[in-house]
Amino acid sequence: QSALTQPASVSGSPGQSITISCTGTSSDVGGYNYVSWYQQHPGKAPKLMIYDVSNRPSGVSNRFSGSKSGNTASLTISGLQAEDEADYYCSSYTSSSTPVFGGGTKLTVL
Amino acid sequence: QVQLVESGGGLVKPGGSLRLSCAASGFTFSDYYMSWIRQAPGKGLEWVSYISSSGSTIYYADSVKGRFTISRDNAKNSLYLQMNSLRAEDTAVYYCARDEGEVAGSFYVYWGQGTLVTVSS
Repeated sequence: QSALTQPASVSGSPGQSITISCTGTSSDVGGYNYVSWYQQHPGKAPKLMIYDVSNRPSGVSNRFSGSKSGNTASLTISGLQAEDEADYYCSSYTSSSTPVFGGGTKLTVL
Repeated sequence: QVQLVESGGGLVKPGGSLRLSCAASGFTFSDYYMSWIRQAPGKGLEWVSYISSSGSTIYYADSVKGRFTISRDNAKNSLYLQMNSLRAEDTAVYYCARDEGEVAGSFYVYWGQGTLVTVSS
């Protein structure tokens, strides 16, 4: 199963909105509503930010939102804050009954 | 509260073996699928394997199939990963994580702190 495709890096200024894309195929992102997003700060374990495409776990800011169109899922962060600077990973369930992660996107808050 | 604590990482030579453990607490371990996920230094996340709550269903990533074996002991609230024929490319931080959602691998809320495995001569 090939990794999902994410941009290597995105950046934005405080207060702005950014969107990170996650492109797969009809065998993963496009075929199931089981896309999740994780935030990872250096040296830390990943933290779940979005599950099942657009659901936010308890305690995650409503500045984080998820969506999907066809084979591409997206994570949008509005009102960027300095603490949002981190690596972000998408993941999807696949037709092989296993998950696959994206390559990761480094978010820089300018 | 839910806690997952990995152990067993270390330095091993290519071709060698290592057994990782993950001690779970704060929840009914036998109710949940569990996964191993790894991250090579400076690289992204890679799912490695998952095991069903009873241990009857197991899946592996192609990159480790035939070399790694996942298992669990529900009486000891523990998850294991036996890693044989280790290669340099297996060098990574290995995380255990609790599977959530309707299907295994859909998402993970709880992760351990990770244990580093280094394969080098």
